Amino acid sequence: DGGITQSPKYLFRKEGQNVTLSCEQNLNHDAMYWYRQDPGQGLRLIYYSQIVNDFQKGDIAEGYSVSREKKESFPLTVTSAQKNPTAFYLCASSQLSGANVLTFGAGSRLTVL
Amino acid sequence: GESVGLHLPTLSVQEGDNSIINCAYSNSASDYFIWYKQESGKGPQFIIDIRSNMDKRQGQRVTVLLNKTVKHLSLQIAATQPGDSAVYFCAERDDYKLSFGAGTTVTVRA
Repeated sequence: DGGITQSPKYLFRKEGQNVTLSCEQNLNHDAMYWYRQDPGQGLRLIYYSQIVNDFQKGDIAEGYSVSREKKESFPLTVTSAQKNPTAFYLCASSQLSGANVLTFGAGSRLTVL
Repeated sequence: GESVGLHLPTLSVQEGDNSIINCAYSNSASDYFIWYKQESGKGPQFIIDIRSNMDKRQGQRVTVLLNKTVKHLSLQIAATQPGDSAVYFCAERDDYKLSFGAGTTVTVRA
């Protein structure tokens, strides 16, 4: 089955700790994205990458970091600098050509205690 | 801020009726629009898309209408079923970046 795998699905952390969310895709997509979703709100773009070893800040990048060492993987680190990290995090990927439809993972719910 | 938004945050529909979900956008440069469906605790799933040079596109039980004059997008679901209960997002694309609205929660009444 081709798709995007996010892990863990649920994560609890103490305030001040960095956490890393995993995102792996086997769709051979060039681009990968991280979105944050808060209750009753739309998806807000954190970071995106169109090619290996390159990535760009989205609308709410402060307090987050990413890496793109492999085409298949785009991990997101939520650092202690993120003021309100509790949220639902969604990873997505897409081809750069054509319609650029995003395929989403199932999400990771981070709760900071 | 967000350039895409939805007119109503919630919509309650009787099973079997048609649903109409509306979305307003403000970016005239957007060349592509997509509707996603998100069920509770899951990631959004693609429903249907439409290019900016089109006015209407039909899928299975769904139709998307685009009115560029008033920057309005709508999703029509025919014969709404219980499985259609979800949050629906419209998204617009500008330079390979998608911007999403806040979503409309659709509840289907039996």
